[in-house]
Amino acid sequence: NAGVMQNPRHLVRRRGQEARLRCSPMKGHSHVYWYRQLPEEGLKFMVYLQKENIIDESGMPKERFSAEFPKEGPSILRIQQVVRGDSAAYFCASSAGPSNTGELFFGEGSRLTVL
Amino acid sequence: DQQVKQNSPSLSVQEGRISILNCDYTNSMFDYFLWYKKYPAEGPTFLISISSIKDKNEDGRFTVFLNKSAKHLSLHIVPSQPGDSAVYFCAAPGSSGSARQLTFGSGTQLTVLP
Repeated sequence: NAGVMQNPRHLVRRRGQEARLRCSPMKGHSHVYWYRQLPEEGLKFMVYLQKENIIDESGMPKERFSAEFPKEGPSILRIQQVVRGDSAAYFCASSAGPSNTGELFFGEGSRLTVL
Repeated sequence: DQQVKQNSPSLSVQEGRISILNCDYTNSMFDYFLWYKKYPAEGPTFLISISSIKDKNEDGRFTVFLNKSAKHLSLHIVPSQPGDSAVYFCAAPGSSGSARQLTFGSGTQLTVLP
């Protein structure tokens, strides 16, 4: 009965360090989406991946951010050389196929704090 | 450029009364709209959706109304219960119309008072 699993739930990094956030989709789901929620704002789309493919990364910052979804293992959102503005909640969602209805299953989020 | 706006950051309602949460949008080409609900320290969960060809969709205590001429939708919860206290986000497909990404409003914190 595993839903979307994200870890770590909380991550503290100092400026300049790297942050890696992991997401395991629901069983049977092969489509993964990453969203970011800054304080006092709504969720913002970052990237959409299928196994081994980035389908849409139009919401990803041009630098320092990357995402992957390997054939085996979880999807990883990687932030290099973190800055204070990267502090946010990062949510992963999954779907069984391309979401044509907008209904996504979200994980509990990873909260990144950059000191 | 916010395409989906929720202008009320918070709303308090007495238990048993109606809660009305509002959302405005700018893109008349959206095919559908959704409401998500989020409890603290949890991810958003899908609540209800409405196609742009309809003006109302009902699911139990939750009803969503769509006014296309005003580019406005609202979520009605009746009767409201303390367990409904959460942040409610309206959402629509991305600017390209793609279902791959959703544009979320900034959310409304609903507090239902016992």
